[in-house]
Amino acid sequence: EAGVVQSPRYKIIEKKQPVAFWCNPISGHNTLYWYLQNLGQGPELLIRYENEEAVDDSQLPKDRFSAERLKGVDSTLKIQPAELGDSAVYLCASSTGVGSTDTQYFGPGTRLTVL
Amino acid sequence: AQSVAQPEDQVNVAEGNPLTVKCTYSVSGNPYLFWYVQYPNRGLQFLLKYITGDNLVKGSYGFEAEFNKSQTSFHLKKPSALVSDSALYFCAVRGHTGGFKTIFGAGTRLFVKA
Repeated sequence: EAGVVQSPRYKIIEKKQPVAFWCNPISGHNTLYWYLQNLGQGPELLIRYENEEAVDDSQLPKDRFSAERLKGVDSTLKIQPAELGDSAVYLCASSTGVGSTDTQYFGPGTRLTVL
Repeated sequence: AQSVAQPEDQVNVAEGNPLTVKCTYSVSGNPYLFWYVQYPNRGLQFLLKYITGDNLVKGSYGFEAEFNKSQTSFHLKKPSALVSDSALYFCAVRGHTGGFKTIFGAGTRLFVKA
């Protein structure tokens, strides 16, 4: 079974430029998560989707961050414009969404460097 | 509010010795607890979880964890460490409020010396 796929794996941009990350979850997983992982820290939730609905986006900085999951499968996370402090690893995870005890499976992440 | 603490930034053990990575949590009601491992330039990989039942949970690669409700702990253990176990380990807790959001600890780096 294929795991969570993310692209690109690495991205270097200059500040004020836009950037987008793509995630393809495990087949059949209805729930999709975007996490931010700063160096030396654990992941922090940005947004959670149940199918195509964003059910928890309370930690998403909406002035510059946006996300979409139009058909309830793939998802895109965008930053516009990027700031120096956005340098981090952006992780996508998915789960079956069946109950509160399901396991999240993570992709390899996208390492963003903002210069 | 729910929280999780990993009191050790780093744990050093010799290969063949038992290892313990500590985790304590705070949550309302019964917790759901998870351990993940992260290798360099990789995402988090699921090791094991506690939902209910037996306090000793067995997971991947010979790891196990013991749920202790009175001490609000969920320490990760392995009887005999391997050099290949060297990685970053994350404990996570999910409560019954806040939309079942999962909160991750800051991580503990494990070094296993040959």
